[in-house]
This record gives sequence, structure tokens and C-alpha cells, in this order.
Amino acid sequence: SQQGEEDPQALSIQEGENATMNCSYKTSINNLQWYRQNSGRGLVHLILIRSNEREKHSGRLRVTLDTSKKSSSLLITASRAADTASYFCATDGGSNYKLTFGKGTLLTVNP
Amino acid sequence: EAQVTQNPRYLITVTGKKLTVTCSQNMNHEYMSWYRQDPGLGLRQIYYSMNVEVTDKGDVPEGYKVSRKEKRNFPLILESPSPNQTSLYFCASSLVGKTHGYTFGSGTRLTVV
Repeated sequence: SQQGEEDPQALSIQEGENATMNCSYKTSINNLQWYRQNSGRGLVHLILIRSNEREKHSGRLRVTLDTSKKSSSLLITASRAADTASYFCATDGGSNYKLTFGKGTLLTVNP
Repeated sequence: EAQVTQNPRYLITVTGKKLTVTCSQNMNHEYMSWYRQDPGLGLRQIYYSMNVEVTDKGDVPEGYKVSRKEKRNFPLILESPSPNQTSLYFCASSLVGKTHGYTFGSGTRLTVV
């Protein structure tokens, strides 16, 4: 079953702008992770935020987590054409380390 | 280089012909998992393994088998492939623990005709 749901499904911006993607989930989690996938390729782990954390940064990425609203956001600042990809949130909510993925946001950064 | 290696990258086969997709990781990860990715359905877990000789079903295990005889290898076996198993398959591995992300392979695009 799908746990995370990303919003929007697709986002198109100009190079240099910021991109914000949101993720909502249904059940309690141990952590929430964001991944990037270039077309047809393997997913690449971007950042992990634990359930007791509210905000985390990594380079141009900023992730927030609101467990009371069961939601997270991924902000990519000063976007580049190379950031064009699909972005997925994934939740780890059980004892078997299973990640449940959303359907992703397709980000297009126009040069 | 730390990586998860899947083979083959592309495969076209006929209904009913047994096939194996191999997955190998060089990071000494305990946890390995198979996912399939389909348009509109996202990524769904097929099987996972917490360690050698320990495997369990994910969300969509029907029609698939796995084995974990060595820590580094986790092959996915389709005993009698059917067209509804046409998909993009990913192997992933991770250290066991609550603060580790997955490392994914590059994917295997399988077409069953």
C-alpha cells in the first residue's frame, strides 16, 4: 500500500528558482527519506529525517517534517537544469526496515 | 566503489520461460530488497531479506521467488513469467538500523511477451 503521497505530481520552474515538494503520509514513522530518480535510472538517496527531527539541511536541500500533520516538504534552492528528475518520499514505519514510497513529483528545471 | 549491481539491464523474454535477475552489493549490507516500478503505481516491494537465509514477502510477492545464500547476493527468480510482470525492477540494500537510506541498483527493464 502507498504510504507517502507527493504533491504536486509535476512541477516546472526556471533555473535559479526554488522548488518545493510536499509529502503526506498516513501512519506513524521512524523516519522519512527523500530520493531522486533520473528517467528510468535507479533511485538516489538524498536525505533522511528522523521522526524526532523537525528540519534538516544538506547542501541546497532543506527538508522539514511535521509529525502532527503527517507531512514533509523538500525544498531545493537555486535549482539547476541538472535537478530535473522525479523526487520520491519514502517512509520507514515498521520493524522490518521496509520503505514505502509515494508516486513521486516530476520536477522540470528549464534553463 | 560502493554499489548495487543488477544484471541484466534489459531483458525481453517469452511467457513461461524461467529467468533470474541477479543483484549483488559490495557494502556488507544486511538488508536487501526487490521493488518493481510501474506507471501510476509507483514502487512496490516484492521481497526483502534481513540477512543470510532470512527472507520475507513484501506487498506484491506473487509469481516471484528469492534466495539469500550469501550476504552479498539476492537474486530474483521468475519461475514462469507472465506479461503482467513486465516492469522496471530495482534491487536495493541497506545497513540494518533506523537511520540508513537505501542504495539502489540501476534497474532491470523486463518485458514479457
